[in-house]
Parts: sequence; structure tokens; C-alpha cells
Amino acid sequence: EAGVAQSPRYKIIEKRQSVAFWCNPISGHATLYWYQQILGQGPKLLIQFQNNGVVDDSQLPKDRFSAERLKGVDSTLKIQPAKLEDSAVYLCASSLWGAETQYFGPGTRLLVL
Amino acid sequence: AQSVTQPDIHITVSEGASLELRCNYSYGATPYLFWYVQSPGQGLQLLLKYFSGDTLVQGIKGFEAEFKRSQSSFNLRKPSVHWSDAAEYFCAVGPNQGGKLIFGQGTELSVKP
Repeated sequence: EAGVAQSPRYKIIEKRQSVAFWCNPISGHATLYWYQQILGQGPKLLIQFQNNGVVDDSQLPKDRFSAERLKGVDSTLKIQPAKLEDSAVYLCASSLWGAETQYFGPGTRLLVL
Repeated sequence: AQSVTQPDIHITVSEGASLELRCNYSYGATPYLFWYVQSPGQGLQLLLKYFSGDTLVQGIKGFEAEFKRSQSSFNLRKPSVHWSDAAEYFCAVGPNQGGKLIFGQGTELSVKP
């Protein structure tokens, strides 16, 4: 069974530029999560989707971050404009509907200069 | 407030020695408890999880964890550490029907030959 796929794996941009990350969850997983992991910290949830609807985006900085999951399968997370403090690893995870176990992708490592 | 505390930021053990990583949590409802491992440049891999039943749970790679409700702890153990166990370990707590995971800040494990 294929795992959670993410791309790109690495991205370097300058502040005020925009960037987008892509995630394809495990087939059949209705729930998709985006986490931000700053160096030296544990991951923190940015947004949770159930199919193509948002369940929790309370920690998403909506002035600069946006995410969508239009067809209820893959998802895109965008940052515009990026700030230095957005340098982090962005992890995508998925799970079956109502299931407690989340499966994580390899992450996208973002460096903002 | 919901939180997870991993008191040890970095632990070094000799190969073949036993290991215990500490985790304390604060959570209002009955939580699911997890341990994940993250190797450099990789995503998070689930080691084990606990919700109910036997308070000693077995996981992959020879790891086990013990839930102690009275101490709000979920410590991870391994009887004999291998060099390949060097990684960062995260304890997490979450709801029983899926949803946001709250992670500790992680414990980095180094293994001496």
C-alpha cells in the first residue's frame, strides 16, 4: 500500500515570495491533516479536512496561509507572502474517517531567506 | 489545557543498554496516546498507541510503553537499544475518533557504540 506522498521535498524561497505544497493521502483516507514542525519542536496542526470540508483551521494563519482539498483526495497548502518564521517542515497526514491513527508523509522542508 | 511534556530533550545511551523515554500529558477527555519516531529527513512513523485495556502496549521494533493514569504518563521503553534506533521520538495525545494530535517537543536519542 502506497503511503502519503508529498512534494516538493525541499524548497528555498525569499521572504515575501509565495510557495505551494502538495499532498496525496493514502487511498481511501477521508481525513487529511497539515502540520507545521518548526525546528526543535513537535508538529502543530494547521488544518484538518474531512473529505473536502474543513473540520479545524483554528491554528492556520489565514492572512497568509490557505489550503484546499477540492475533490476530497489530494490537497495543496499555500503560503503567500512567506515570512522568515515560516521556515519549517510541513507534514501531511491522513487517516480513515473517524480513525485515531494518522499516517504521515515525508514532509516538505521550507527555508525562507 | 491540553499538553504533552517530554522532559528530556536529548538522551544518549550505549548500544545494548536499556532505554526509557518519558512522556506526561494533560488532556480533558479520555485520550488516545501515541509514540512516533522520526529519522532525519523523514516523516513520522507510528511505534505504538494506547486507548484502553492492558496498560502495557507492545509496538514495532521491540518498543513498549506503559500507561499510568495516576501519573498521567506514557513512558516508552526498550530493553536493548540498537544503533539504528538513533532518531527523534515524539509522544502525542489525541481524541478517540480522530482529530488534532498534540505533540511533545520530542526527545532526541543518540546511541553510542
